[in-house]
Amino acid sequence: QQQVKQSPQSLIVQKGGIPIINCAYENTAFDYFPWYQQFPGKGPALLIAIRPDVSEKKEGRFTISFNKSAKQFSLHIMDSQPGDSATYFCAASNPGGSQGNLIFGKGTKLSVKP
Amino acid sequence: KAGVTQTPRYLIKTRGQQVTLSCSPISGHRSVSWYQQTPGQGLQFLFEYFSETQRNKGNFPGRFSGRQFSNSRSEMNVSTLELGDSALYLCASSFSGHSTDTQYFGPGTRLTVL
Repeated sequence: QQQVKQSPQSLIVQKGGIPIINCAYENTAFDYFPWYQQFPGKGPALLIAIRPDVSEKKEGRFTISFNKSAKQFSLHIMDSQPGDSATYFCAASNPGGSQGNLIFGKGTKLSVKP
Repeated sequence: KAGVTQTPRYLIKTRGQQVTLSCSPISGHRSVSWYQQTPGQGLQFLFEYFSETQRNKGNFPGRFSGRQFSNSRSEMNVSTLELGDSALYLCASSFSGHSTDTQYFGPGTRLTVL
């Protein structure tokens, strides 16, 4: 019940395409859903995060869509660029929890071809 | 502001040895978390320290331990190394350690156990 299932494992798109990465969870108590971006040789960096009281959040070319009833959330990257090639992790957290309560998905390796 | 730094960046050890990894958080951050990242298991939480106290611990054997100093710098130690301990070890710092507080990750220490 504590798992966050992320798909696909890898994704290849052409420049300008809209890659979509999906995550699903079981624990309805989760109340914070961040996405992290990790480039090779670097640690993950927070990209965008959403709370379950909104269905969508946009920051630049990155959008999180959230479906509370389906217990799913997804990341869309508009007008993708080769510089977006990285591994993306979704995560979910229990309410009022500490950092240790952040559960990560297994990651999606995105490659954007020029 | 300087980011999270981790030393060393790379380590090669043999089975049975022990290792100590170091992490310097962002100035002013009092929470330091450690993660193990492997291709198969993804990002797994090891433990979190706040003001020199371990506040949260993941599901790892007692061979994995850590501590935090009064200046918030943290170390983690792995004793009696096993081949399966080969991984990227990431340190992350945040101001309060709350799950919704942005974590800033270091570049990691790549540990190889032969």
